[in-house]
Amino acid sequence: DAKTTQPTSMDCAEGRAANLPCNHSTISGNEYVYWYRQIHSQGPQYIIHGLKNNETNEMASLIITEDRKSSTLILPHATLRDTAVYYCIVCYNTDKLIFGTGTRLQVFP
Amino acid sequence: DAGVTQSPTHLIKTRGQQVTLRCSPKSGHDTVSWYQQALGQGPQFIFQYYEEEERQRGNFPDRFSGHQFPNYSSELNVNALLLGDSALYLCASSPQRRFMNTEAFFGQGTRLTVV
Repeated sequence: DAKTTQPTSMDCAEGRAANLPCNHSTISGNEYVYWYRQIHSQGPQYIIHGLKNNETNEMASLIITEDRKSSTLILPHATLRDTAVYYCIVCYNTDKLIFGTGTRLQVFP
Repeated sequence: DAGVTQSPTHLIKTRGQQVTLRCSPKSGHDTVSWYQQALGQGPQFIFQYYEEEERQRGNFPDRFSGHQFPNYSSELNVNALLLGDSALYLCASSPQRRFMNTEAFFGQGTRLTVV
């Protein structure tokens, strides 16, 4: 079973920041938080991952709480092309990813 | 770099038949994992291949089998197809196992329809 809990769906206005929460209260000390997204009928796309420090790349920022029991993925300026299902996954390595049901993000004009 | 490539993109088979799906990993990657994604669900892990051997397996019956070749490419075989095997089959590759915590890259998948 997936070790994460995410809201089923969220909406975001184009140009605004999208903040996607994830709860992972049973995360182990050596497990990372990974975020993937899947645009309709395509393969999942890697977004970002982190252990305990906040991370930022060209796609997004990842904020992990100090106790590591939750995290937030931030898309700073959402576009229509960011409409997708976003998966939060905790794992030691990416050899075996356990996907939950994810958050369906709808970006509207 | 072509990334992870899968073939074919779409496939229609009849119940009871056998099917083979193929995957070429991203350049420099030697570990290949296969996932099944039913409509409206998240991907489910089938198994993983490294050094031409199955290393991990999810909760799938023996009808699902695989192979990895010396060039790291991989095949997924499904025997005695059932209607419930209709799904998007995804292949993911990742770099050498000693480089932990790097991202896995997914192909675009093969859409299998069993009729």
